[in-house]
Amino acid sequence: DAKTTQPNSMESNEEEPVHLPCNHSTISGTDYIHWYRQLPSQGPEYVIHGLTSNVNNRMASLAIAEDRKSSTLILHRATLRDAAVYYCILRANAGGTSYGKLTFGQGTILTVHP
Amino acid sequence: DAMVIQNPRYQVTQFGKPVTLSCSQTLNHNVMYWYQQKSSQAPKLLFHYYDKDFNNEADTPDNFQSRRPNTSFCFLDIRSPGLGDAAMYLCATSSRDRGRQPQHFGDGTRLSIL
Repeated sequence: DAKTTQPNSMESNEEEPVHLPCNHSTISGTDYIHWYRQLPSQGPEYVIHGLTSNVNNRMASLAIAEDRKSSTLILHRATLRDAAVYYCILRANAGGTSYGKLTFGQGTILTVHP
Repeated sequence: DAMVIQNPRYQVTQFGKPVTLSCSQTLNHNVMYWYQQKSSQAPKLLFHYYDKDFNNEADTPDNFQSRRPNTSFCFLDIRSPGLGDAAMYLCATSSRDRGRQPQHFGDGTRLSIL
């Protein structure tokens, strides 16, 4: 499975934008880039995903490098509720028995200061 | 709202005493996954079902088994729990489209071993 590399931790102030980077230099052409976050004592929550183009949804934006070897999750205005572990994951779309399993890396712990 | 429900949220069992964790979903998804998440670690896939087809990860101990009697329910059986099996167990679902679709997680069952 292709791997991702993220900073162990990042900090932000409330109502400021946050840019969470992810490197995935071994990504294959059919891998989707997924982001999940996990709040304390909860299961992971889907945030956003993309393949080649930048994506926006109500939670965040995903900026994907032209060579697809890196991506950045953007939280436009951080709130205290955004404090979580953020996971960048490559999800296979290939055949066989992969069935799109998620292989989690260690993620980035985001701390948001009031 | 359609969702993934795990019961119970907290489970305590004795060393060596079999335990079953349950997961149900109202999403009508084809694929159901079980993950193990130990303290301060990322979730790790144990196995998954694609409809009735069971797919075990290569490094999942034989002590862990699973059943999926119908589309909505999936069970995780730990035959002889050891102290090292204390963890959060997460259930997730996904539709048939592997790459594009997110996984939907339950809030997990935290298993303690006495």
